Amino acid sequence: QKEVEQDPGPLSVPEGAIVSLNCTYSNSAFQYFMWYRQYSRKGPELLMYTYSSGNKEDGRFTAQVDKSSKYISLFIRDSQPSDSATYLCAMSALGGSEKLVFGKGMKLTVNP
Amino acid sequence: DGGITQSPKYLFRKEGQNVTLSCEQNLNHDAMYWYRQDPGQGLRLIYYSQIVNDFQKGDIAEGYSVSREKKESFPLTVTSAQKNPTAFYLCASSISGKANEQFFGPGTRLTVL
Repeated sequence: QKEVEQDPGPLSVPEGAIVSLNCTYSNSAFQYFMWYRQYSRKGPELLMYTYSSGNKEDGRFTAQVDKSSKYISLFIRDSQPSDSATYLCAMSALGGSEKLVFGKGMKLTVNP
Repeated sequence: DGGITQSPKYLFRKEGQNVTLSCEQNLNHDAMYWYRQDPGQGLRLIYYSQIVNDFQKGDIAEGYSVSREKKESFPLTVTSAQKNPTAFYLCASSISGKANEQFFGPGTRLTVL
């Protein structure tokens, strides 16, 4: 079993839809959970960052972590065509010198 | 503007040649990283460096080499020993002790002809 599993999609939704992106993991030592957004042929940019369990909201984006189920989610409300990108989850154990472990990335297309 | 630059954006190499990818940052970050991204594979760590003149192998270091002579620079050499070098290469940096908050460069696409 890989440390981090992410459905690579692709996922296509109409503009205005609520999007749910998910990752599962096997390493119970993971404590820091990140979502990166990557536009085509560009480097990833950090979108959301959560420590341990719980929810974090930033505008139209909400990140959720359920450590008991080893499951994290990113919700996008009122999705826009500009949200079309690949979304990668990433995790680390200590948040310090520990390296990040990435999911494979989910390609999202929001159709106008 | 603060940020990370990678050059060139596109690079073509003949089989058997070594090639060096440039990564420069002016964010005053101590830590720097090199990743490789292949379709359907996500990002895989090649090498990372927490401080000048020190670096560690990542998960797929074979066929690659790095140096860290300056804080701002972390060049990656793809050697002829790398069996499948065609990929998108990403450089990142972070504050020391903040590997979970990495900032990425725009990437270099290497194609071996």
